[in-house]
Amino acid sequence: EVQLVESGGGLVQPGGSLRLSCAASGFTFSNYEMNWVRQAPGKGLEWVSYISSSGTTIYYADSVKGRFTISRDNTKNSLYLQMNSLRAEDTAVYYCAREIDRGRGRWFDPWGQGTLATVSS
Amino acid sequence: DIQMTQSPSSLSASVGDRVTITCRASQSISSYLNWYQQKPGKAPKLLIYGASTLESGVPSRFSGSGSGTDFTLTISSLQPEDFATYYCQQSYSTPRTFGQGTKVEIK
Repeated sequence: EVQLVESGGGLVQPGGSLRLSCAASGFTFSNYEMNWVRQAPGKGLEWVSYISSSGTTIYYADSVKGRFTISRDNTKNSLYLQMNSLRAEDTAVYYCAREIDRGRGRWFDPWGQGTLATVSS
Repeated sequence: DIQMTQSPSSLSASVGDRVTITCRASQSISSYLNWYQQKPGKAPKLLIYGASTLESGVPSRFSGSGSGTDFTLTISSLQPEDFATYYCQQSYSTPRTFGQGTKVEIK
């Protein structure tokens, strides 16, 4: 079964840091591009970051650029999101999602269950 | 960045109703449009990719259409398990922007 499991969320003060992890299983992780998507409480989905299968190509949303760092370890089938200089507006459930690339475009499937990061004093 | 606008933001419907949700892109995205369903407390689930291709296992009452800038998700006969929030997403360019969501509620 293809599965993604996030961890690492929690309560942190403004200006603090968190490192989120996403453990992949049931597929060849090193063959797939990966993404982080977040959802603030009661709000919609916001794409956060993308990393290519090899880790050489990375993109960020403007809202997190310079503060967040995406990375992966293909030997451990794991995806990471290092979040620094956290703000209250970064409070959200963070999902990792596998990107599928076929002839009819690209899409996210599956998604993990999400991990909640709360930034508050 | 490409902006995605869904309408309506919410709707009330009854079991058996035909429901249509619209998604409009701020520029042409060809057919690079996906639809996701999200239930409360759960992760989003892929319903449709490439504007009209149904993901494996998704009931045939769901369908998608459109190309360019205007897209539609249709539920032909609403079932109790379909009450959820639906999001469109463009995959034409990065960032992979989402619509703001359409919440389908029970009338």
